[in-house]
Amino acid sequence: KAGVTQTPRYLIKTRGQQVTLSCSPISGHRSVSWYQQTPGQGLQFLFEYFSETQRNKGNFPGRFSGRQFSNSRSEMNVSTLELGDSALYLCASSPSGVETQYFGPGTRLLVL
Amino acid sequence: QKEVEQNSGPLSVPEGAIASLNCTYSDRVSQSFFWYRQYSGKSPELIMSIYSNGDKEDGRFTAQLNKASQYVSLLIRDSQPSDSATYLCAVSALTGGGNKLTFGTGTQLKVEL
Repeated sequence: KAGVTQTPRYLIKTRGQQVTLSCSPISGHRSVSWYQQTPGQGLQFLFEYFSETQRNKGNFPGRFSGRQFSNSRSEMNVSTLELGDSALYLCASSPSGVETQYFGPGTRLLVL
Repeated sequence: QKEVEQNSGPLSVPEGAIASLNCTYSDRVSQSFFWYRQYSGKSPELIMSIYSNGDKEDGRFTAQLNKASQYVSLLIRDSQPSDSATYLCAVSALTGGGNKLTFGTGTQLKVEL
């Protein structure tokens, strides 16, 4: 079975721009979660989608949004980028919830 | 107070020794507990999960959970240099819409020859 894939792997943007990241879960997995990882804050939960519905949301501003499609693929969007948004963005998939999550390789975003 | 706390380390142990990694959590309604391993430059991978008080063993790994004291630990027996990584403790609690996973900041383990 193919693992979780994320595109793009690396991204450089400037302040004020917006960005869209993509995640394809493991086949058959319906839950996709997104995380932001930084050296200072560690791994922080952004949101979880299940069957196209956002089921949980972390403490991030409204600039961070996401969606899930009927094939379980998910996208995350960050608008009006700030320098502090520079991070590794990880998505994780699981069959039904946050248990037994499998992480993708991540998208490293640098905001200049 | 952070919801999930870990000593950042580094924790250095000699090859063949037992490495003991600890984690405390603040939310008493937490239900599920996980240990992830993250090698430098890689994404986290799940190595252990534990749901009830006591010990759970899987090969060289043993997870221990004490809900009354709100701590969970991971023991790695016969530590190998390949175990050198950051170990993330994660705790799941039921929220309005489902379970939410909260991670600690991780403990860096170094296994020395």
